[in-house]
Amino acid sequence: RKEVEQDPGPFNVPEGATVAFNCTYSNSASQSFFWYRQDCRKEPKLLMSVYSSGNEDGRFTAQLNRASQYISLLIRDSKLSDSATYLCVVNVYNFNKFYFGSGTKLNVKP
Amino acid sequence: GAVVSQHPSRVICKSGTSVKIECRSLDFQATTMFWYRQFPKKSLMLMATSNEGSKATYEQGVEKDKFLINHASLTLSTLTVTSAHPEDSSFYICSVYGLSGPNTYEQYFGPGTRLTVT
Repeated sequence: RKEVEQDPGPFNVPEGATVAFNCTYSNSASQSFFWYRQDCRKEPKLLMSVYSSGNEDGRFTAQLNRASQYISLLIRDSKLSDSATYLCVVNVYNFNKFYFGSGTKLNVKP
Repeated sequence: GAVVSQHPSRVICKSGTSVKIECRSLDFQATTMFWYRQFPKKSLMLMATSNEGSKATYEQGVEKDKFLINHASLTLSTLTVTSAHPEDSSFYICSVYGLSGPNTYEQYFGPGTRLTVT
């Protein structure tokens, strides 16, 4: 079983739509959780860390559900520039490791 | 976040030659750096953890004699792909790793090096 699993998509949505991604992780000892964004042929860039209480940054909201071992990312009012692959990343810091999901591709269309 | 550079950004080499990739942390003293590779349309795969002043820790299936890692200072780690083969063609990305809050570690990535072996 993979450490981190994501729906690869693609999610094709019109501008202005709200879209949500989920990600599940298998290691209950996971401590830190992140969403990264990766554009084609570029390096991943940190979008936001995910805290137990959930957190919001503008149009982006991240939630963590430890009981069910999943994290989510909600994007409101999608922009064309949101088109990218979104990577779910989990850190098991006792083992000093980061585990990456395979990414969910988002295409926002005019 | 930390600023990380990689050099070169792109390299083409012939089979059998060696290629060195540099990863520099420009504003952050990194005791730990990670090296990843990414194949097209796939996620990042951790190759090794580079520790300043000590030997790197390699992931299972990654040959340490083929992918030589040197982390001689807090701002520089190098990855040398030795005796390169076409199947080594990939996107190699490094990251620096540090404590950003209570029990929270974050990592910031370099821009990557695209290696093509002909």
